[in-house]
Amino acid sequence: DADVTQTPRNRITKTGKRIMLECSQTKGHDRMYWYRQDPGLGLRLIYYSFDVKDINKGEISDGYSVSRQAQAKFSLSLESAIPNQTALYFCATRGTSTTEAFFGQGTRLTVV
Amino acid sequence: QKEVEQDPGPLSVPEGAIVSLNCTYSNSAFQYFMWYRQYSRKGPELLMYTYSSGNKEDGRFTAQVDKSSKYISLFIRDSQPSDSATYLCAMSVGPLLVFGKGTKLTVNP
Repeated sequence: DADVTQTPRNRITKTGKRIMLECSQTKGHDRMYWYRQDPGLGLRLIYYSFDVKDINKGEISDGYSVSRQAQAKFSLSLESAIPNQTALYFCATRGTSTTEAFFGQGTRLTVV
Repeated sequence: QKEVEQDPGPLSVPEGAIVSLNCTYSNSAFQYFMWYRQYSRKGPELLMYTYSSGNKEDGRFTAQVDKSSKYISLFIRDSQPSDSATYLCAMSVGPLLVFGKGTKLTVNP
């Protein structure tokens, strides 16, 4: 099983719909991150969390919200999806004393 | 100006070529310098990281950091078709990672 699991892997949704992307990890890491990846723009940080009670906005948090349900689970929500939120979304984890970040396989989201 | 600049390419080379990938940065507080490799339809995976200025070698890959010039490089010797992927530089300051845009590399047989 993958260390960082994202569900769903692919999703097509309509403008205005609420959608939740889920991430779970078995690394035991406290730090979890949500990124979006767009062609030509690279990976941009949406939200990050250092523990269940600590949630922080990244550089592009508008239109998104997150929930850290447990150390191992970190969900990203789009309350009212819009077409320019069409992108590849990645969840990542990182240990407190480690350099490496571990990424999930990604969720390809299309908003029509 | 973005903190980390990376030429997005794309870059296409013949098998066996030496590949040079580069990033520049503006934040002197960056502590670790990393290269991630991302295959199509996959998440990024750490390839190499280094802390100090100088070179670090791992097989066919060499990571180079020049803190005085705020410049990092990844060299791939004897490139193989299996090296075809997007390469992202990344730099850390505390708990946060800042990524370059990624360079798409294709190695042709």
